[in-house]
Amino acid sequence: DTEVTQTPKHLVMGMTNKKSLKCEQHMGHRAMYWYKQKAKKPPELMFVYSYEKLSINESVPSRFSPECPNSSLLNLHLHALQPEDSALYLCASSPMGLAGEQFFGPGTRLTVL
Amino acid sequence: GIQVEQSPPDLILQEGANSTLRCNFSDSVNNLQWFHQNPWGQLINLFYIPSGTKQNGRLSATTVATERYSLLYISSSQTTDSGVYFCAAPGAMEYGNKLVFGAGTILRVKS
Repeated sequence: DTEVTQTPKHLVMGMTNKKSLKCEQHMGHRAMYWYKQKAKKPPELMFVYSYEKLSINESVPSRFSPECPNSSLLNLHLHALQPEDSALYLCASSPMGLAGEQFFGPGTRLTVL
Repeated sequence: GIQVEQSPPDLILQEGANSTLRCNFSDSVNNLQWFHQNPWGQLINLFYIPSGTKQNGRLSATTVATERYSLLYISSSQTTDSGVYFCAAPGAMEYGNKLVFGAGTILRVKS
């Protein structure tokens, strides 16, 4: 299995909702990442987990809460989002901890109403 | 931190034409990735190429690390090549292998 999967593909939520994005990989990779991508812009890093520990938080607002339950799974919990948080959320993984080629999932397109 | 610049920002090709995309980076890197983002948003890995030349079908890439640039060649372009091409390089290790992306090249291939 050489892919990163993400669910759901699309998500529409209100500003008072709580939802979660899920990412999964079965390549034995030990680093996993969340990126946010706005239209016509490149992806921007949000969080990095290495060996299931949070290594990097790029000053992301607390309404985004990452979780890494095990080495294959990465969640992003969403609460009290703002319309400007609407974006494509991409998950990635890399085999060599904090180095090496990164592989991306198909993304979750989030719309906040 | 490292800066990554891509050129051209936009490119329109007739089907069958060849093209070269360029990526310049401001500091030495230990890896360099090229991606194609399709219209559905999926980032597809094209090359992982810290130095040298690699080929995959109609695509090839060359990175000259000492001169801090990489080139992506697309030959005999097809409409399915349309999309955004990104190059990305890692920041320093203290940034947790944060990939720094260029702004991208938007490619449109017309039939």
